[in-house]
Amino acid sequence: GAGVSQSPSNKVTEKGKDVELRCDPISGHTALYWYRQSLGQGLEFLIYFQGNSAPDKSGLPSDRFSAERTGGSVSTLTIQRTQQEDSAVYLCASSLDVTGYEQYFGPGTRLTVT
Amino acid sequence: AQSVAQPEDQVNVAEGNPLTVKCTYSVSGNPYLFWYVQYPNRGLQFLLKYITGDNLVKGSYGFEAEFNKSQTSFHLKKPSALVSDSALYFCAVRDIRTGGFKTIFGAGTRLFVKA
Repeated sequence: GAGVSQSPSNKVTEKGKDVELRCDPISGHTALYWYRQSLGQGLEFLIYFQGNSAPDKSGLPSDRFSAERTGGSVSTLTIQRTQQEDSAVYLCASSLDVTGYEQYFGPGTRLTVT
Repeated sequence: AQSVAQPEDQVNVAEGNPLTVKCTYSVSGNPYLFWYVQYPNRGLQFLLKYITGDNLVKGSYGFEAEFNKSQTSFHLKKPSALVSDSALYFCAVRDIRTGGFKTIFGAGTRLFVKA
């Protein structure tokens, strides 16, 4: 079946521009997560959505970062006024709406801010 | 707050030898523990998890991990390493009492298996 998809796969943007990254989770998965993986670093939790509950935004690094999830499915991560330190691979994952279930990851969006 | 430590940036092992990738965690409640693997140019894949029950859990590709509550550890092991096991391994923890679905990942350990 279809896995988690993300678009674009690569994005190069100039410092100060806004970018939107998209994630399509696996159908039927109600939990959706965003992570950031900087070069040579681990995964940094950004935000998660679970069903109709308020999202856990505790990992967002600054107010330039925001995310929404429409209709309980597709999610968009928006970075405003991008900075060079925002350059990273942004990973999306989804899981079943049961605690303890593993996450299924998308291929990621590689963001480069010049 | 929950946290995960992977004390080794890199582990080198010869093919056919046993391998161990270490992980320790810190949570205020009971943990759900996971191992994921990232092969070169491929996405993160789930390997195994500990939720409850038997402390020794078995996962994909012959990997296993042992949950040790007293040492707050969840080391990944394999009896006989393959060159194809070379990848980046991540340990992750979820605090089921306070963290909801929030999952914290370690910094990762790069495994090199030499032929």
